[in-house]
Amino acid sequence: KQEVTQIPAALSVPEGENLVLNCSFTDSAIYNLQWFRQDPGKGLTSLLLIQSSQREQTSGRLNASLDKSSGRSTLYIAASQPGDSATYLCAVTGTASKLTFGTGTRLQVTL
Amino acid sequence: NAGVMQNPRHLVRRRGQEARLRCSPMKGHSHVYWYRQLPEEGLKFMVYLQKENIIDESGMPKERFSAEFPKEGPSILRIQQVVRGDSAAYFCASSPPMAGSYEQYFGPGTRLTVT
Repeated sequence: KQEVTQIPAALSVPEGENLVLNCSFTDSAIYNLQWFRQDPGKGLTSLLLIQSSQREQTSGRLNASLDKSSGRSTLYIAASQPGDSATYLCAVTGTASKLTFGTGTRLQVTL
Repeated sequence: NAGVMQNPRHLVRRRGQEARLRCSPMKGHSHVYWYRQLPEEGLKFMVYLQKENIIDESGMPKERFSAEFPKEGPSILRIQQVVRGDSAAYFCASSPPMAGSYEQYFGPGTRLTVT
């Protein structure tokens, strides 16, 4: 059974800092890995998708890496802004096509 | 191209009533997934459907819950005889025909409150 873990559970940083969110998964037989953002009481916004054959993806200030063999992914956020405050979710797609989500990292970027 | 649409966005039901949640996938998408997010918990997979077929319902509670995706019209998640523990946010996602390799796109969710 796939299990996805995210650390830290919560993170508070001052504006302008670069930060790294971590995600680990127990079963390396995945099709892809997605990073999402969820604002309180809102839906999910897809940030980045990494196919199992890829090592990383970049979008603006975001960079996600994938090491499938070790079961790890990181989301790097450069020059953080207060608007980045949200919960960040990592999810993997396995052979059954369904997404297995991590527990999330709650990020607070302070002025 | 409209995104995944879910309605209603908020639904209040009394214990024992039925709840029907609707999901219209993105245009061209033929795969629909339902996920549930209980208060202060992560999202959990419930069911995966293609048109007129349930592919994987391993995450569905054994009783009171059912899902369908008819040939025409939206996918429906139906909860009979709701209980307070059913209060949660229910999210629908869709993906193109080549499921497994493609991104899942999420709707805004339906927040169900059982009183």
